[in-house]
Amino acid sequence: EAEVAQSPRYKITEKSQAVAFWCDPISGHATLYWYRQILGQGPELLVQFQDESVVDDSQLPKDRFSAERLKGVDSTLKIQPAELGDSAMYLCASSPRDSQKETQYFGPGTRLLVL
Amino acid sequence: AQSVTQLDSHVSVSEGTPVLLRCNYSSSYSPSLFWYVQHPNKGLQLLLKYTSAATLVKGINGFEAEFKKSETSFHLTKPSAHMSDAAEYFCVVSEIKAGNMRTFGGGTRLMVKP
Repeated sequence: EAEVAQSPRYKITEKSQAVAFWCDPISGHATLYWYRQILGQGPELLVQFQDESVVDDSQLPKDRFSAERLKGVDSTLKIQPAELGDSAMYLCASSPRDSQKETQYFGPGTRLLVL
Repeated sequence: AQSVTQLDSHVSVSEGTPVLLRCNYSSSYSPSLFWYVQHPNKGLQLLLKYTSAATLVKGINGFEAEFKKSETSFHLTKPSAHMSDAAEYFCVVSEIKAGNMRTFGGGTRLMVKP
């Protein structure tokens, strides 16, 4: 069964450093999402792509976060500089299309710890 | 604006007894509703979804949920808990008016005692 791949699975960094996370969605899925999940809470959407275009990045802290999906396939989320409050699980998800009814398929996540 | 409230942050049951995880939603239009499960250090796995067809939805691993519009609820149930059901469960709402954006509840941690 096809899965969403993410790497690394775990990342420890010091504040003010740069970090990057990678996501490879299920083949053929046009829509890709990055979520942040703080411990003990539900995931919150950071950015949504439709193919290579950003559809929604209203919750992305653009002063330090950036995301790209240059060829409309895999995607990278970057934080520079990292802050203590960025410690969280970063989840990538994909779906065949942008639809209210469509299932989103989640990757295993990258757990970030900022010291 | 859409929102989701999971009424219990923690639920503890004994193995073999029924499970009830409660979810209430707020939506100004016809929503889609989902339940996901998350095991420790894992991503979210879809259990079931409601998308305006049958109001009683059956999912994987013996779970089911009933969409009750009059009560704005979408509670998750299972007749008999298994040890492997211990995990975090998330109720999710989505509607066209919100640009299909998913809003997640705060989660319910299910503990299963032997």
